[in-house]
Amino acid sequence: DTGVSQNPRHKITKRGQNVTFRCDPISEHNRLYWYRQTLGQGPEFLTYFQNEAQLEKSRLLSDRFSAERPKGSFSTLEIQRTEQGDSAMYLCASSLGGGRTVYNEQFFGPGTRLTVL
Amino acid sequence: GDSVTQMEGPVTLSEEAFLTINCTYTATGYPSLFWYVQYPGEGLQLLLKATKADDKGSNKGFEATYRKETTSFHLEKGSVQVSDSAVYFCALSAYGSSNTGKLIFGQGTTLQVKP
Repeated sequence: DTGVSQNPRHKITKRGQNVTFRCDPISEHNRLYWYRQTLGQGPEFLTYFQNEAQLEKSRLLSDRFSAERPKGSFSTLEIQRTEQGDSAMYLCASSLGGGRTVYNEQFFGPGTRLTVL
Repeated sequence: GDSVTQMEGPVTLSEEAFLTINCTYTATGYPSLFWYVQYPGEGLQLLLKATKADDKGSNKGFEATYRKETTSFHLEKGSVQVSDSAVYFCALSAYGSSNTGKLIFGQGTTLQVKP
């Protein structure tokens, strides 16, 4: 399967613990996005990478959140000192991008469901 | 800021009924508009898109027309099937100098089709 993959699919943690999620985009895609989706809501943008550069971060991304994309391939999203309000589905998406193209389709992974107890 | 508003669900229809899910948006400039679908237990999939005013996106019998004058992108299907039961998200991508392509989603509308 050559789609976007995310690991783990589910994570249960206790409040105050750190967690890290991984996203493997489609191999030729230079753009990578993280979104968060809470129950009954649409996904909300968290951050965006073009290759290895993190070019945009949402105000939703507090200081406890950090994302990396070393070498412009896979990406990790770390949440430090988790809180119950961090419980959500974390989605990763990738696309081609750049140039004069108005839009390139984003392909979504299955998500990582985080439960903070 | 940019935003998307969808009609609230759930929407329950009988098989072969006509479907409309309303979507309106607020954005500066000329965004691209999308409908994504999330089937039970699966990830988000792009259903259709329109990148400029008066464009009609279509796929799998679903259609939506980009109406700039009413800032709307309503999703329609003439005859729904049980297999169309899913959550539908309207979204926009604002095109500007940064051109990050990030998506702004509505809250989603659950469609349940009964046989």
